[in-house]
Amino acid sequence: AQSVTQLDSQVPVFEEAPVELRCNYSSSVSVYLFWYVQYPNQGLQLLLKYLSGSTLVKGINGFEAEFNKSQTSFHLRKPSVHISDTAEYFCAVSEAGNEKLTFGTGTRLTIIP
Amino acid sequence: DAGVIQSPRHEVTEMGQEVTLRCKPISGHNSLFWYRQTMMRGLELLIYFNNNVPIDDSGMPEDRFSAKMPNASFSTLKIQPSEPRDSAVYFCASSFSAGNTIYFGEGSWLTVV
Repeated sequence: AQSVTQLDSQVPVFEEAPVELRCNYSSSVSVYLFWYVQYPNQGLQLLLKYLSGSTLVKGINGFEAEFNKSQTSFHLRKPSVHISDTAEYFCAVSEAGNEKLTFGTGTRLTIIP
Repeated sequence: DAGVIQSPRHEVTEMGQEVTLRCKPISGHNSLFWYRQTMMRGLELLIYFNNNVPIDDSGMPEDRFSAKMPNASFSTLKIQPSEPRDSAVYFCASSFSAGNTIYFGEGSWLTVV
């Protein structure tokens, strides 16, 4: 079975500074990887996903993530954050071809003006 | 498209009462998921359906929980009898096959007193 670890439960960052949210996964088979964002009192929405191909994936709102198979990581980055990026970010994994998505515990990103 | 529609958005009920949460997936999607989100346990997959058939219900906490999908456009999650520890946000989500984006509803906020 697959699992996801998000090492940082909270990350405070100054506005316009870069940010990296860490995600590591564990699986014995090929995986699909996802980052979702949850704004307060809302459901989750997809930021980006990796299924195959280029290991650098670009998503919405200026976010990108890089799949690193040797390090089993899929860290999320943004070069310059805005107040509106304040939210909870979830990394998720599924076995390739399987619909069952396993979520990490989430990282709360707080942007400091 | 209207997205995944959940009802009720908020429910407060007394311990021992039956609770029914409803979900209408996005038209054309053939997979439907029920997730529960709490501060303590994060996002947990309770059950998912593919083509209206339950595929994995290993996340359903106990016999008090049941889920049905009588047709492609409707699903219910029922808790009977409800307990205070069932208080959580329950998300319904849908997708079209593995690897595709899973779209979440806005959640049903349940409080059992």
